[in-house]
Amino acid sequence: EPEVTQTPSHQVTQMGQEVILRCVPISNHLYFYWYRQILGQKVEFLVSFYNNEISEKSEIFDDQFSVERPDGSNFTLKIRSTKLEDSAMYFCASSEETVPNTEAFFGQGTRLTVV
Amino acid sequence: AQSVTQPDIHITVSEGASLELRCNYSYGATPYLFWYVQSPGQGLQLLLKYFSGDTLVQGIKGFEAEFKRSQSSFNLRKPSVHWSDAAEYFCAVVPRGYNKLIFGAGTRLAVHP
Repeated sequence: EPEVTQTPSHQVTQMGQEVILRCVPISNHLYFYWYRQILGQKVEFLVSFYNNEISEKSEIFDDQFSVERPDGSNFTLKIRSTKLEDSAMYFCASSEETVPNTEAFFGQGTRLTVV
Repeated sequence: AQSVTQPDIHITVSEGASLELRCNYSYGATPYLFWYVQSPGQGLQLLLKYFSGDTLVQGIKGFEAEFKRSQSSFNLRKPSVHWSDAAEYFCAVVPRGYNKLIFGAGTRLAVHP
């Protein structure tokens, strides 16, 4: 069964360092998303991406964040200069169409720890 | 304010007992409604969704949910819980005209043998 895969499963980084979280969405999907879940809190929408551009972003997704689809298969989230409060589980998701019309499939997540 | 509320943070039930997890939403227009489950070490898996029509929706793993417009609720139910149902359950909505999921805080379910 097709699935969304995320690497690494766990990343530890020092405050101020850049990190790139990687995702391979399901191959025929056209819409891509990043969500995050700070420990003990709700899952929050960060950004959606379609047709090689951001279609929507949340207030959390400030200038420190960027997304890219560098080739036909990967979808990355970059945090330029990490802060302690960026520590969270980051989920990538993809869908064939917009979410009300089709299911969004989630990866297993990358746990980012900023020290 | 627009919100999705799951009033119960933790619920513990005995195996074989029935289960109901509560979800309320506050949106001007009824959003699209979803329930997701997150098992330990796993991603979020869709259990069921409601867009329109029959207010009782069947999902995977024996779960069902009932939409009640008058109460702005979309509660998840299962008649007989199995130990493997222990997980965190998230109610989510997609507001009309949007392409993003808004999640509730989640309910962590523990199952006693």
